[in-house]
Amino acid sequence: DIQMTQSPSSLSASVGDRVTITCQASHDISDHLNWYQQKPGKAPKLLIYDASNLETGVPSRFSGSGSGTHFTFTISSLQPEDFATYYCQLYDNLPPYTFGQGTKLDIK
Amino acid sequence: QVQLQESDPGLVKPSETLSLTCTVSGASITYYFWSWIRQSPGRGLEWIGYISNIGSTNYNPSLKSRVTISTDTAKNQFSLNLDSVTPADTAVYYCARGLGRWDYWGQGALVTVSS
Repeated sequence: DIQMTQSPSSLSASVGDRVTITCQASHDISDHLNWYQQKPGKAPKLLIYDASNLETGVPSRFSGSGSGTHFTFTISSLQPEDFATYYCQLYDNLPPYTFGQGTKLDIK
Repeated sequence: QVQLQESDPGLVKPSETLSLTCTVSGASITYYFWSWIRQSPGRGLEWIGYISNIGSTNYNPSLKSRVTISTDTAKNQFSLNLDSVTPADTAVYYCARGLGRWDYWGQGALVTVSS
């Protein structure tokens, strides 16, 4: 199975800050990586698919980049509603589809 | 508006079968892939398996021997059966639409395995 390493596991930031989260895959997965946001007691919400495509309705302050084994997720200017846990998730030609360990983003 | 709603089995005894149903509205289960995903503090988010629009299935190898996913097209529902559960199967179980990515999710059902 392909392994995912997501970092950092937690992050403190302020409203207006630029925030970056990374995911590293153990093997080349091309652009087969998605990013989700999860708030307490809620299901994950798809934000970015195929590494860099913004899901419909998601604000443009969210972005993703990368290919192969190294991927980056960025929030350009944090808003109060962005404090949540973020997950990367890979999908390869064969399952299983794996999630990263998560990054908890809280208010500094 | 696509909506998914899991049934709520609540408490399941060890060695028994966990059964969950996801009722879909706003989309036909005959047009998409449908998945089950679970989340626990120890295992994080874990994909369980999917069923395709034509009824083919694929399961996480770590659970494959115990999992069955099926559909009821007349009711626009799909279901999860997980056999021989242990306390390690305690988790929030989500149904979701998609194959490699999931754009619509149910609210989640907490399933506790305990005697």
